[in-house]
Amino acid sequence: DVKVTQSSRYLVKRTGEKVFLECVQDMDHENMFWYRQDPGLGLRLIYFSYDVKMKEKGDIPEGYSVSREKKERFSLILESASTNQTSMYLCATKGYQAGELFFGEGSRLTVL
Amino acid sequence: DQQVKQNSPSLSVQEGRISILNCDYTNSMFDYFLWYKKYPAEGPTFLISISSIKDKNEDGRFTVFLNKSAKHLSLHIVPSQPGDSAVYFCAARGGNQGGKLIFGQGTELSVKP
Repeated sequence: DVKVTQSSRYLVKRTGEKVFLECVQDMDHENMFWYRQDPGLGLRLIYFSYDVKMKEKGDIPEGYSVSREKKERFSLILESASTNQTSMYLCATKGYQAGELFFGEGSRLTVL
Repeated sequence: DQQVKQNSPSLSVQEGRISILNCDYTNSMFDYFLWYKKYPAEGPTFLISISSIKDKNEDGRFTVFLNKSAKHLSLHIVPSQPGDSAVYFCAARGGNQGGKLIFGQGTELSVKP
């Protein structure tokens, strides 16, 4: 079974703090994704990466950056957290069947 | 603009009856459609998919129908079970976007015993 592990299930941060969300996968998948889930808005793509050190902006990249130094690890960084970044963050990897993504359990971030 | 839309935020059905979840899309270049299921405090899990060259795909109690002319797809669950209670997301893949999926807003299904 594919395992996608997100480092923190719940975080509480203050406005202006730097936040790191880490994601590790064990299947040697090339493509990894960061989404955020908000009520009424579904899942929106923040950034994705199709190889080590490669990254592409998704639909809502503002206020975020990412890092992919190793194939199995994809990190999402909030340089200066703001209250509108309070959300559920979901990491995913792409399997070998068309379109199929494997998600981690999510990291619920609250910014006060 | 929302390329994938699920217009019903919630749906309630009785156990044993059919659940029908709907999804509309605007981009005719989408080549693959998927449904994901999400329980609270868990990540979404893949449920069923359909290629744009087909109009139906069935897997056990779950069937997805695609109407390309109407740019509409639906997920049928028959018979519905209480364990099916979850949020269901429709997703679509653009032909040349490296596996990137665009998701709808989700529909929360509640199956009552």
